[in-house]
Amino acid sequence: DTAVSQTPKYLVTQMGNDKSIKCEQNLGHDTMYWYKQDSKKFLKIMFSYNNKELIINETVPNRFSPKSPDKAHLNLHINSLELGDSAVYFCASSLLYGYTFGSGTRLTVV
Amino acid sequence: QQQVKQSPQSLIVQKGGISIINCAYENTAFDYFPWYQQFPGKGPALLIAIRPDVSEKKEGRFTISFNKSAKQFSLHIMDSQPGDSATYFCAASQRGSEKLVFGKGTKLTVNP
Repeated sequence: DTAVSQTPKYLVTQMGNDKSIKCEQNLGHDTMYWYKQDSKKFLKIMFSYNNKELIINETVPNRFSPKSPDKAHLNLHINSLELGDSAVYFCASSLLYGYTFGSGTRLTVV
Repeated sequence: QQQVKQSPQSLIVQKGGISIINCAYENTAFDYFPWYQQFPGKGPALLIAIRPDVSEKKEGRFTISFNKSAKQFSLHIMDSQPGDSATYFCAASQRGSEKLVFGKGTKLTVNP
């Protein structure tokens, strides 16, 4: 059983398209996150939800919209994709401290 | 503003050697300091973590040393193995927040 699962694993799309990445966790954690890892491996937090409520919203273009239908799911929708959005996006969950990350979604915008 | 500074950016060690990665922070409100290990194509995985009330924590070949007055902490990997080759991230979070701030990572290569 995968603790934090993301789909798809790879996503190649053209500029201007809209895409979604889905994340599910079966750990019973209350908090979920989206992190972006750029080509230099730097991990930067984008959003955090606690029990379906948005608690962290870093400086991210409003083309990125997270949605949490329940505390086990956190999806990321991206509108009007740009070349600079190419990165690996990681979903994670936590209970107090100690994150569990998913295996990532490699997004390539061409 | 980089809240956690990590060095070196890359590190090459011979099998059996000691790997040392250092991190420094400014925010004195940080009270949880984990290290994550990431293999290619995988997400980061929690390796070991420490709180500032202790100066050292050891788990197998991995040790965190923590210097509260200097606001520095480091990861030591004893008897480094080729299977330890990965990217290592230090991180920190502060009281009342689950938000982790990561260092920029260190790519460790252990040669056989």
